[in-house]
Amino acid sequence: AQSVTQLDSHVSVSEGTPVLLRCNYSSSYSPSLFWYVQHPNKGLQLLLKYTSAATLVKGINGFEAEFKKSETSFHLTKPSAHMSDAAEYFCVVSDANRDDKIIFGKGTRLHILP
Amino acid sequence: DTGVSQDPRHKITKRGQNVTFRCDPISEHNRLYWYRQTLGQGPEFLTYFQNEAQLEKSRLLSDRFSAERPKGSFSTLEIQRTEQGDSAMYLCASSPRDRLAYEQYFGPGTRLTVT
Repeated sequence: AQSVTQLDSHVSVSEGTPVLLRCNYSSSYSPSLFWYVQHPNKGLQLLLKYTSAATLVKGINGFEAEFKKSETSFHLTKPSAHMSDAAEYFCVVSDANRDDKIIFGKGTRLHILP
Repeated sequence: DTGVSQDPRHKITKRGQNVTFRCDPISEHNRLYWYRQTLGQGPEFLTYFQNEAQLEKSRLLSDRFSAERPKGSFSTLEIQRTEQGDSAMYLCASSPRDRLAYEQYFGPGTRLTVT
């Protein structure tokens, strides 16, 4: 069975400082892992994906995430936050053997302070 | 705009009424998904179609819920005898032929409020 835990429901950072959004997963199989972003009144957008290739994954808008199997983690980072990064972020897991289904975490709301 | 569209964007209804939502996927996408998202939660899978065939339904989808995709294009989600617990954002997503589930393109959602 697959599950994903986002460790923080809210994160606040100052503009220009680093962002860290934490995600841990549980999987019976080799997982595929993703981050989606949801801006207010807009649809969910895929930020980046890990599918058993390079463990450090680069996404859009300067975000990246590192797959650490020993820690069962897939944390999302960005070196310098921008006001436009304020949104809800979801960590998502997919069973590599079931390519038709994905499971979302509960989300982390990122606040950017001026 | 050629993205996924949903109609209506907002729906307020009284308990016990029936409601129907529509989703128009990206035209060449053969997979279509429905999710429900409540406040403070991530989207939860409800059901999905491959072309016109409904391949899986979550146990969250009670018998008051029905979804169709009659011609393999747009889809409708109907909720009968709505309850206050049905209040949520209903999201639709589509995915291209032979692509994995994570490459889903989401619509803006329909926010349902049951009073």
